Amino acid sequence: ILNVEQSPQSLHVQEGDSTNFTCSFPSSNFYALHWYRWETAKSPEALFVMTLNGDEKKKGRISATLNTKEGYSYLYIKGSQPEDSATYLCAFKGSQGNLIFGKGTKLSVKP
Amino acid sequence: NAGVTQTPKFRILKIGQSMTLQCTQDMNHNYMYWYRQDPGMGLKLIYYSVGAGITDKGEVPNGYNVSRSTTEDFPLRLELAAPSQTSVYFCASHTGRANYEQYFGPGTRLTVT
Repeated sequence: ILNVEQSPQSLHVQEGDSTNFTCSFPSSNFYALHWYRWETAKSPEALFVMTLNGDEKKKGRISATLNTKEGYSYLYIKGSQPEDSATYLCAFKGSQGNLIFGKGTKLSVKP
Repeated sequence: NAGVTQTPKFRILKIGQSMTLQCTQDMNHNYMYWYRQDPGMGLKLIYYSVGAGITDKGEVPNGYNVSRSTTEDFPLRLELAAPSQTSVYFCASHTGRANYEQYFGPGTRLTVT
C-alpha cells in the first residue's frame, strides 16, 4: 500500500509569518507530485504539478521544492495572509496508477 | 468553460434509498474520477475512468457503481444507501498528460440517515 504523509496535520500562524510544510511519498516509481489548495466549502484547486527531481516552482508568495530520490516535497508560504488559510493537499502519482492523496495540512492564519 | 460540474450540491437519503450523483465536464478530458472525503481521512478514490466505455475500481468502490457512456458524463450510483456513505463526494477530470493537474467539481454533500 502506497502511503503519502503530510506534516504537520495543522498549523496556526500569525499574519506575516512565513511557514512551510512537508509531504513524504514513495521514492520509487515516481511520476509526479501535485499540490492543491483547498478552502473550506470549496473544491481543491491545483497549485503545482512537479515531475523532476530538484524542481522548484513558485506562484506569488507560495513555492514548492521536490526531492524524488528521498521522497519529499516542501511547500513554503512567505508572509502568510489570512486568505492563505486553507488545507494544503499533496498527491503522489506513481508510474502506474492514480493520484494518492495525503490527508492535508490545515493552515490557519490569524490577522 | 464551466469546468467540472456536479449535481446535486446537497442530498439527504434514507437508509436503503438509491440515488445518482451527476458529474459533467466540458474540457474534453478522457480521465474522470470519483472521490469521497471523510473528516481526517483525505480524499479516497471510489471509481475512475480513462475514457468513454471504460471504468475501473479505485480504493473504496463497495456500495457504488459508475458508467461512462460519453466523454463528458461520469455518474456515480448508490444503490442501497448506508450511513457509512455519508460523505462529501468530489468528481474530478484530467487530460491524462503527466504535467497537468486534476480539475475538481464543487462537491456533493450526502447524508444518509
